[in-house]
Amino acid sequence: AQSVAQPEDQVNVAEGNPLTVKCTYSVSGNPYLFWYVQYPNRGLQFLLKYITGDNLVKGSYGFEAEFNKSQTSFHLKKPSALVSDSALYFCAVRVHDVLSMDFGNEKLTFGTGTRLTIIP
Amino acid sequence: DTEVTQTPKHLVMGMTNKKSLKCEQHMGHRAMYWYKQKAKKPPELMFVYSYEKLSINESVPSRFSPECPNSSLLNLHLHALQPEDSALYLCASSQDPQGSYEQYFGPGTRLTVT
Repeated sequence: AQSVAQPEDQVNVAEGNPLTVKCTYSVSGNPYLFWYVQYPNRGLQFLLKYITGDNLVKGSYGFEAEFNKSQTSFHLKKPSALVSDSALYFCAVRVHDVLSMDFGNEKLTFGTGTRLTIIP
Repeated sequence: DTEVTQTPKHLVMGMTNKKSLKCEQHMGHRAMYWYKQKAKKPPELMFVYSYEKLSINESVPSRFSPECPNSSLLNLHLHALQPEDSALYLCASSQDPQGSYEQYFGPGTRLTVT
């Protein structure tokens, strides 16, 4: 089984300050981890993903995320927040198992989402 | 082109109506997905098509019927829906159903069942 937790429903950050949106995961194998952003009345947009290798992943719009295997975390970060970053953010996980024929690997498990508000 | 298109954008239907949602992608992706999303909640997986074959049905009621006419198109046929089925229906695609490939989402169809 795989699961994702986003412990904060709401994060407020002043414009220009660094932001962090937290994500922890639980999987039985090696994880592929993703961050998506959703603006009001829109679909989800892919921001970045961790596959393997360098623990610091850089993505769209200046976002980055740090994979921490020991803490099973994949927090989303940005050095300087913009008002336009205000949106709903979802962390997601898929288990990596090249030997498995379990179609469950096709499933992307989402966290509950964190609403990020950047205050001007 | 990384676009997934969905039509219509909005749909209002009565509980006795039959309607269809359409999704299209031209990225050559071999996996396509239907999700249901309630307000302020994460998307809930409904169906997965892998190489044009239905591979996952998440115990979705039979009033929702998916169809994949070809590798670029995905439909969701709706019949005898309930008011609780009102939601944002999202289509997504990915290069392959497994592995590290990210999913690309369409803008969604906002469905209201009256």
